[in-house]
Amino acid sequence: NAGVTQTPKFQVLKTGQSMTLQCAQDMNHNSMYWYRQDPGMGLRLIYYSASEGTTDKGEVPNGYNVSRLNKREFSLRLESAAPSQTSVYFCASQDRGSGNTIYFGEGSWLTVV
Amino acid sequence: QQQVKQSPQSLIVQKGGISIINCAYENTAFDYFPWYQQFPGKGPALLIAIRPDVSEKKEGRFTISFNKSAKQFSLHIMDSQPGDSATYFCAPGYSGAGSYQLTFGKGTKLSVIP
Repeated sequence: NAGVTQTPKFQVLKTGQSMTLQCAQDMNHNSMYWYRQDPGMGLRLIYYSASEGTTDKGEVPNGYNVSRLNKREFSLRLESAAPSQTSVYFCASQDRGSGNTIYFGEGSWLTVV
Repeated sequence: QQQVKQSPQSLIVQKGGISIINCAYENTAFDYFPWYQQFPGKGPALLIAIRPDVSEKKEGRFTISFNKSAKQFSLHIMDSQPGDSATYFCAPGYSGAGSYQLTFGKGTKLSVIP
């Protein structure tokens, strides 16, 4: 059981470049999330999708867009990368019927130079 | 304003000792109180969680204590082991519009020394 799979694991971008972080879950969960983690800041919610076809902004959405492609996949796009977006990005999914546990992927390390 | 305050930022405990991490929150709508554990290079994983209808929950060496009136909950790790060395996050949440919103604390880095 793979759980939540994120790609790529590591990426270096130049300022102004665009890229998409991919996420897929195989647990048939309705809700999916994108968080960023920065030293001393905990995890901050960027966007979430309560169900297929819906997306909503979280705490720090500026500079990002998301697509809930289907129930399995939730992608995060940086249209014009900035050094402030250097971070570790985590995708997560949740099945509210299982006690609200959120399952995280292993993270994507992004550096913008 | 900071909705969730976690303390301490870092903690060093000797093997066999008790580790205690605290979390204070402001939002009285929170109705789910989990602790997540994160090892270096990995994503966080649920360690233990409590609902507000109980004041304490124990799973092995890990215990959550919950004080609704004080709006605080804490994680106690008994007989701490080097394998417990990790970063711990409290992440209280509530039932938002169709999705469960968690608000993460800034984390506590625990080091258990032999």
